[in-house]
Amino acid sequence: KNEVEQSPQNLTAQEGEFITINCSYSVGISALHWLQQHPGGGIVSLFMLSSGKKKHGRLIATINIQEKHSSLHITASHPRDSAVYICARRGGSQGNLIFGKGTKLSVKP
Amino acid sequence: DGGITQSPKYLFRKEGQNVTLSCEQNLNHDAMYWYRQDPGQGLRLIYYSQIVNDFQKGDIAEGYSVSREKKESFPLTVTSAQKNPTAFYLCASARGLQETQYFGPGTRLLVL
Repeated sequence: KNEVEQSPQNLTAQEGEFITINCSYSVGISALHWLQQHPGGGIVSLFMLSSGKKKHGRLIATINIQEKHSSLHITASHPRDSAVYICARRGGSQGNLIFGKGTKLSVKP
Repeated sequence: DGGITQSPKYLFRKEGQNVTLSCEQNLNHDAMYWYRQDPGQGLRLIYYSQIVNDFQKGDIAEGYSVSREKKESFPLTVTSAQKNPTAFYLCASARGLQETQYFGPGTRLLVL
């Protein structure tokens, strides 16, 4: 069983819609990451969260440490937001990340 | 420009052949990582290095080897012992083990 679970696996939205991607994990963490992978394969770090909420442009990430749950929201979605969004938690002292399987988002014009 | 480069973008391997994937960073980062990505699975850690001349095995190190002779470089060799090497390989670096990781563009390895 993957220690980091994401839902949904696939998501199709119309341009302008509000989007939510969920991430849950099974153990206590020091930090939770959200990353974006474009079709070419390159990965960009979006957020690193240890508590509360962070916002960058149209992206908002929240985390509830007690419930071991995080969400990534996209407001006013656009076709250029189409990508795979990946949640990852710290794996312990090594600093490596343990990744979810990703949510593939497709935003239609 | 600072960043991480990986080469080549695509790499083909024949049965029984060793191949080396390059990862270079000019961010002055101490920590470097190699991950493998397979369809339908999350990225998995192969090897990591927190400082020059030191590296540690990750979750799936069998069939792989690395070196860290220079701070900027962390090459990964896929040996013939790796029975299923076809995958997308991503290198990452960070200032330290608990810091934000920055990823390279990846190398796609295919077995002929």
